[in-house]
Amino acid sequence: DAGVTQSPTHLIKTRGQQVTLRCSPKSGHDTVSWYQQALGQGPQFIFQYYEEEERQRGNFPDRFSGHQFPNYSSELNVNALLLGDSALYLCASSLSAGPSYEQYFGPGTRLTVT
Amino acid sequence: GESVGLHLPTLSVQEGDNSIINCAYSNSASDYFIWYKQESGKGPQFIIDIRSNMDKRQGQRVTVLLNKTVKHLSLQIAATQPGDSAVYFCAENSGSARQLTFGSGTQLTVLP
Repeated sequence: DAGVTQSPTHLIKTRGQQVTLRCSPKSGHDTVSWYQQALGQGPQFIFQYYEEEERQRGNFPDRFSGHQFPNYSSELNVNALLLGDSALYLCASSLSAGPSYEQYFGPGTRLTVT
Repeated sequence: GESVGLHLPTLSVQEGDNSIINCAYSNSASDYFIWYKQESGKGPQFIIDIRSNMDKRQGQRVTVLLNKTVKHLSLQIAATQPGDSAVYFCAENSGSARQLTFGSGTQLTVLP
């Protein structure tokens, strides 16, 4: 049973550029959440996707956007990158019919903005 | 605003000793509390959870205690092993919210 997978593992971008991160949820899961984890901090909720729509959003600017595909996989897009966007981006999947706290995390994508 | 925080950023224990990691929360509406373990280069891994209507729950070598009166959560690890070295996060979730709110983490180091 495949767990949550994310790609790429590492990414280096320049300020002002755009980036797309990808996530495949755990088999059977239909909901994907994205979190940003700065170095030495706990993950911060960005948004959650279900049925290809953004269902809930955290305190992140519109530069952060996402998408969910019919196969439940998801993308996180960040435009006009800032140095402060450097972080580990985590994807978590869950089952909409289950408790919202049962989220399974992927290994993350380490984004470095220079 | 509402937040979940930890008392200590680092904790060092001798192998074989018991570890206690503490967490304070401020959202009285929280329904569930979860402890995650995060090893270097990996995503958070679920350890144990507890509902707000419970005050204690035990797993394999781990126990979570919840004190709603003082809004305090703790994770106890029995007979700590080198493989327990990691950052531990508490997180909370309220039924109406879909996201997890994490604290800043405690780095546990197990000394030989």
